Amino acid sequence: DQQVKQNSPSLSVQEGRISILNCDYTNSMFDYFLWYKKYPAEGPTFLISISSIKDKNEDGRFTVFLNKSAKHLSLHIVPSQPGDSAVYFCAASGDAKRQLTFGSGTQLTVLP
Amino acid sequence: ETGVTQSPTHLIKTRGQQVTLRCSSQSGHNTVSWYQQALGQGPQFIFQYYREEENGRGNFPPRFSGLQFPNYSSELNVNALELDDSALYLCASSLDGGRARYEQYFGPGTRLTVT
Repeated sequence: DQQVKQNSPSLSVQEGRISILNCDYTNSMFDYFLWYKKYPAEGPTFLISISSIKDKNEDGRFTVFLNKSAKHLSLHIVPSQPGDSAVYFCAASGDAKRQLTFGSGTQLTVLP
Repeated sequence: ETGVTQSPTHLIKTRGQQVTLRCSSQSGHNTVSWYQQALGQGPQFIFQYYREEENGRGNFPPRFSGLQFPNYSSELNVNALELDDSALYLCASSLDGGRARYEQYFGPGTRLTVT
């Protein structure tokens, strides 16, 4: 049973436009959510996170929104740049041991 | 500041063999987690070590085992390899305490192929 779902395997966006990546979760015990970015031949890199007590967190071009009632979070990238092309993973945690549960990822391609 | 390193980069083993993968955590990080990433999937939690003790385990059989050393480096051992064990194995380190405990720093991974 997939507790964290990324239903879009891929997304293409024009440079300068907004990229919106979506993630849904089923486990009500999750209280912390993260986005990771992964380039080929590298490990995932932490991008941005949000606690369940907030509904928005912003860091430069990246904003994460959390809708707890819908069990949905999204990552907005504005403006998108070609260097943002990577696989983006949504992850969630709900225990003190910090175990992360990942989605299957979305390949973002930003076209110049 | 040294990042998370893993060795070897690639490995080919035969079904039934045993393998040991190694990880050096980021400087100052006392917690190490291991993940298995199959092709086209997200990383799946195997287990976590904190101060040399297993601190949590995912849905992996006992033939997956680990160690953490006093310098916080870690090993993942897999016995009786199966074809389905072919995957990218990722090690991640983190700091204990507060929000930092959620933000894990990943190494580049070890690509294991079982034939």
